[in-house]
Amino acid sequence: GQQLNQSPQSMFIQEGEDVSMNCTSSSIFNTWLWYKQEPGEGPVLLIALYKAGELTSNGRLTAQFGITRKDSFLNISASIPSDVGIYFCAGSGGTGRRALTFGSGTRLQVQP
Amino acid sequence: DADVTQTPRNRITKTGKRIMLECSQTKGHDRMYWYRQDPGLGLRLIYYSFDVKDINKGEISDGYSVSRQAQAKFSLSLESAIPNQTALYFCATSVKLAGGYNEQFFGPGTRLTVL
Repeated sequence: GQQLNQSPQSMFIQEGEDVSMNCTSSSIFNTWLWYKQEPGEGPVLLIALYKAGELTSNGRLTAQFGITRKDSFLNISASIPSDVGIYFCAGSGGTGRRALTFGSGTRLQVQP
Repeated sequence: DADVTQTPRNRITKTGKRIMLECSQTKGHDRMYWYRQDPGLGLRLIYYSFDVKDINKGEISDGYSVSRQAQAKFSLSLESAIPNQTALYFCATSVKLAGGYNEQFFGPGTRLTVL
């Protein structure tokens, strides 16, 4: 089946720093989604990408759908303590009946 | 009120017991999913349903069964729970967008412990 490699597994940064994380797939995807999960809660959708090369922002978050359609990255600028959580990428290689495949997550900690 | 609710939020049970986890949604979505989350493994798909009469196995369906009682309700059952089914379980919903795209929205999760 489809596999997603997400890196890094964890990050510990200072408040104000920029953050970058990425996912690569073993096969072509046509949808990339980025989620954030906070302790005790379900993942919350941050950004959705549907076209190769697409660059989309949501506040301080920016995500891109790689040209090869096998990768995506998420950047967080000027991190703040409430950015703490686990960030997941998810993708789908088909339309309609395909379910999502999730990466293993990037755990972000922000030192005030 | 939450769009996707799960009950119970926490459950401790013993090996061999039958357990049902329930999910309800008020989003009007036709698609519903059950995932399992283990530390370091992300989310793995157990079962998914694109319609009341359309139920499909995910990557880790062994030991689980589901029931889609209505468009808004999707239940996950463990017929005979075992300790390695201890995990966080999430329900999710989605609606098919134009072009077939698939944004999923998650419930708050059920933490299940099997002793």
